[in-house]
Amino acid sequence: AQTVTQSQPEMSVQEAETVTLSCTYDTSESDYYLFWYKQPPSRQMILVIRQEAYKQQNATENRFSVNFQKAAKSFSLKISDSQLGDAAMYFCAYWWGGSEKLVFGKGTKLTVNP
Amino acid sequence: DSGVTQTPKHLITATGQRVTLRCSPRSGDLSVYWYQQSLDQGLQFLIQYYNGEERAKGNILERFSAQQFPDLHSELNLSSLELGDSALYFCASSVGGAVDNEQFFGPGTRLTVL
Repeated sequence: AQTVTQSQPEMSVQEAETVTLSCTYDTSESDYYLFWYKQPPSRQMILVIRQEAYKQQNATENRFSVNFQKAAKSFSLKISDSQLGDAAMYFCAYWWGGSEKLVFGKGTKLTVNP
Repeated sequence: DSGVTQTPKHLITATGQRVTLRCSPRSGDLSVYWYQQSLDQGLQFLIQYYNGEERAKGNILERFSAQQFPDLHSELNLSSLELGDSALYFCASSVGGAVDNEQFFGPGTRLTVL
């Protein structure tokens, strides 16, 4: 069964600094998608970034970028120039066509200190 | 605001009861997804509907059922409620049913079973 592991229950970063959130996953599939979702205190789930497994280039969205290591089954999220509004729970998620469902990790709570 | 609406925002009920959660997708979206977020199980996919038909099923209990109506709104019915059903229930919608269609999440319904 596909599983997603986020080994850091909590992380903190100083405003304007860079932080990296870790995610590993277990799969025997070769074609799949990976996502990072943000859940601020409002509870709304917001898509931050996604990566198609067949693409070697790491996805980037403004201050958010990923380090996708397919062989190591690792998918970390780097947040640059952290802002107070980045404080939230961050969930890593995996999807593949055979199941047609998103599998989420347990989440990492990110605190941004002023 | 994602454009997905969920009612009610909060629901408090007793064990053994039945409740109905409602979701209205974004205008033009054909797919609706239901998720359960609890402290012990994390965020789990329950079920997906596409244009009125069940598309994918996740960890949905037999006591739970869902449907999508012709106007594309969806309802999640939870019956014979147990304490462990207390959770945040999210609805998400997307244009199509494929993974590359971004899912937009609603604000969730907080269910408390006493």
